[in-house]
Amino acid sequence: GQQVMQIPQYQHVQEGEDFTTYCNSSTTLSNIQWYKQRPGGHPVFLIQLVKSGEVKKQKRLTFQFGEAKKNSSLHITATQTTDVGTYFCAGRKEDAGNMLTFGGGTRLMVKP
Amino acid sequence: ETGVTQSPTHLIKTRGQQVTLRCSSQSGHNTVSWYQQALGQGPQFIFQYYREEENGRGNFPPRFSGLQFPNYSSELNVNALELDDSALYLCASSFHSQETQYFGPGTRLLVL
Repeated sequence: GQQVMQIPQYQHVQEGEDFTTYCNSSTTLSNIQWYKQRPGGHPVFLIQLVKSGEVKKQKRLTFQFGEAKKNSSLHITATQTTDVGTYFCAGRKEDAGNMLTFGGGTRLMVKP
Repeated sequence: ETGVTQSPTHLIKTRGQQVTLRCSSQSGHNTVSWYQQALGQGPQFIFQYYREEENGRGNFPPRFSGLQFPNYSSELNVNALELDDSALYLCASSFHSQETQYFGPGTRLLVL
């Protein structure tokens, strides 16, 4: 079946440092979404990438979708304590219709 | 807030019992997806309902079943509960089956 892997599993950074999480799928994806989940909360949609090689920015967050549509990354510039949480990627396989497969997430901890 | 509500917020059951979880979708959304999130893991797709019909199913046994009502609210039923069913159960609503999903706060189920 489809697998979506994320690395690293955990990341501790000092406030102000950059952070990147990587997402890799075993199959080609039709699109990929990114979510943020705060401790004790629920996933909150951040963005969706659809096109090969697509890059989107939201303030300090930069999202990329690989040329082969099998990998993606989220980069946060100059982390803040409000960035704390777990970041999940979730992909839709091209012939799997509506099923969204989540990665295991990267838990970001920011030291002030 | 997404406008997606779930009830109850917490639930404790014993092995072998049955449970029903409820979800009210965001106004205007006709699709509800259900996910199981075990502690420290990403959400796993259980199934999706679109206009009252099941519209995709993940790798979950038949004792996980669901319903969607004419007002697009939904229920998740789990029979013969097992210890491993302890998890956060999330529903997510969307305008269409492949559009952006908005998650509710979840129901935390503990099976003893």
